[in-house]
Amino acid sequence: SAVISQKPSRDICQRGTSLTIQCQVDSQVTMMFWYRQQPGQSLTLIATANQGSEATYESGFVIDKFPISRPNLTFSTLTVSNMSPEDSSIYLCSVEDSGHLDPSEAFFGQGTRLTVV
Amino acid sequence: SQELEQSPQSLIVQEGKNLTINCTSSKTLYGLYWYKQKYGEGLIFLMMLQKGGEEKSHEKITAKLDEKKQQSSLHITASQPSHAGIYLCGAVNSNSGYALNFGKGTSLLVTP
Repeated sequence: SAVISQKPSRDICQRGTSLTIQCQVDSQVTMMFWYRQQPGQSLTLIATANQGSEATYESGFVIDKFPISRPNLTFSTLTVSNMSPEDSSIYLCSVEDSGHLDPSEAFFGQGTRLTVV
Repeated sequence: SQELEQSPQSLIVQEGKNLTINCTSSKTLYGLYWYKQKYGEGLIFLMMLQKGGEEKSHEKITAKLDEKKQQSSLHITASQPSHAGIYLCGAVNSNSGYALNFGKGTSLLVTP
């Protein structure tokens, strides 16, 4: 199984600033995903990050607000830009541990708990 | 889009009791994942079910996927305080590669 390290684990940020979250995987993976979990809610997919191409964003999420980098097969970053209190959430990266077509195990990092004040 | 409904929303059980959490999909499931989440933390992968009628067990937790592949249940036998947390079911979102759609979660508290 893939081991995912996510940093920082938590942060308190001033509104209007930006925070970059890092996700490091101990093995090469094809697909990495970024999710948001707002307080008391379930997880919502932000975007899919593929190496060598631009991230694919879900409805309601835009690149200017959540720029994503995927420089190689083991690393990705998500930036939360121009933050407001509504961005206070847990942000999680996830990897699909196979390049196969069939669903396989999907693993998550420990999350970044962001509070915007 | 696929929707996952979990029930119950929350559960309080006495230590040693059995419990079941259900996850019902609005569409056929091609991969159903169960996770456990401690408050404010990441998700711990429990099991993934893919075939209709499939059943998997890990320690005292058993998950099943029904034959029609639209419902899954998670059963905990002889619950312990360590089982407390939020249980989430997720299903493959075919529109976003292998990203997952998630249910709203079931919050479990196990009392002494």
